[in-house]
Amino acid sequence: RKEVEQDPGPFNVPEGATVAFNCTYSNSASQSFFWYRQDCRKEPKLLMSVYSSGNEDGRFTAQLNRASQYISLLIRDSKLSDSATYLCVVNTRSNSGYALNFGKGTSLLVTP
Amino acid sequence: DAGVIQSPRHEVTEMGQEVTLRCKPISGHDYLFWYRQTMMRGLELLIYFNNNVPIDDSGMPEDRFSAKMPNASFSTLKIQPSEPRDSAVYFCASSFGRIEQYFGPGTRLTVT
Repeated sequence: RKEVEQDPGPFNVPEGATVAFNCTYSNSASQSFFWYRQDCRKEPKLLMSVYSSGNEDGRFTAQLNRASQYISLLIRDSKLSDSATYLCVVNTRSNSGYALNFGKGTSLLVTP
Repeated sequence: DAGVIQSPRHEVTEMGQEVTLRCKPISGHDYLFWYRQTMMRGLELLIYFNNNVPIDDSGMPEDRFSAKMPNASFSTLKIQPSEPRDSAVYFCASSFGRIEQYFGPGTRLTVT
């Protein structure tokens, strides 16, 4: 089983819609969690960290459920510019320190 | 800030040739990471350095791959000999501490 799993999508939504992505992770000892955004043929960029109590950044809300080992990202009032691939990232302690494990990403296409 | 710099941006080579990818991390960052991204496998961590010292190279696929970091401002990833299955986008990332990583634009490698 892969460390971090995401639905690859694509999610096709109209502008203004609300869309949610989930991500599950396998290692219960994972310590920190993030969402990265990757535009087509570009590098990944940090979108937001995910805190245990949940956190919000403008139209974006991230939630963590440690008991069920999943992370979610909610995008409200989606914009055309939100079209991208969203990577779920889990930081897990390993024998050599820490390792960031990336999901394969969920593709979002926002249409006019 | 210049961000993480990678060169070349594109590399096309023939099977059996040596390939060297280069990375200049953000000044002051103490961690440097090499990743490989393909459609099939997503983003995979190959190796990372802390203060120029390799910490975890368990992701390096085989002995054909090697990485060095001779100083805080330069790292190389070498593939010798290259094979068609090495075709991918190779990203370098750096961070201060282990968490928020800044990615370079990537090197798109094609081995024919």
